[in-house]
Amino acid sequence: EAQVTQNPRYLITVTGKKLTVTCSQNMNHEYMSWYRQDPGLGLRQIYYSMNVEVTDKGDVPEGYKVSRKEKRNFPLILESPSPNQTSLYFCASRPRTGAGYGYTFGSGTRLTVV
Amino acid sequence: DAKTTQPPSMDCAEGRAANLPCNHSTISGNEYVYWYRQIHSQGPQYIIHGLKNNETNEMASLIITEDRKSSTLILPHATLRDTAVYYCIVRRDYGQNFVFGPGTRLSVLP
Repeated sequence: EAQVTQNPRYLITVTGKKLTVTCSQNMNHEYMSWYRQDPGLGLRQIYYSMNVEVTDKGDVPEGYKVSRKEKRNFPLILESPSPNQTSLYFCASRPRTGAGYGYTFGSGTRLTVV
Repeated sequence: DAKTTQPPSMDCAEGRAANLPCNHSTISGNEYVYWYRQIHSQGPQYIIHGLKNNETNEMASLIITEDRKSSTLILPHATLRDTAVYYCIVRRDYGQNFVFGPGTRLSVLP
């Protein structure tokens, strides 16, 4: 089944403790992206990648890092999490071009930083 | 990418057609219209997209006006499981960011 898989689904952590949220897709998509969703602010893009070793900042990149060493994986790294990073996170992937295809989203990771 | 305007909420009776409007008066010629929905806190789900012509798939129909300044997503026989927030997004094919606005909260009522 074609899908984007994120892990973990739920995570509670303490301020300052480094964490990684993994994202993997099995559709051979070039583009991958991370979004966060907060009440009243909607979905906002954090980082994106247009291919292996090509990443760039989205609208809200502060406090996050990403890497794209393999086409299928796009982990989101929080080096020193803070409470304002408590949010619902979504990973997504899409083909580079082709008939206007949109993003396929993962099921989400609900992160709480205390 | 062009901005979109959607009503904040709508109700629909179960079994009836749900017609969700979207205004995108600043759309340019190479921009597609996409529709996604998000059920509760699940990941947004792609529904349909179109450029100029009306489109239909197993989930919905997309009607785009001739001047492309507005569109309507039609769920032909709404069920309770169609209760969700529906997002209309306008963007070019290439590029990487989908900008999600507040969307329309559709409530399908029994």
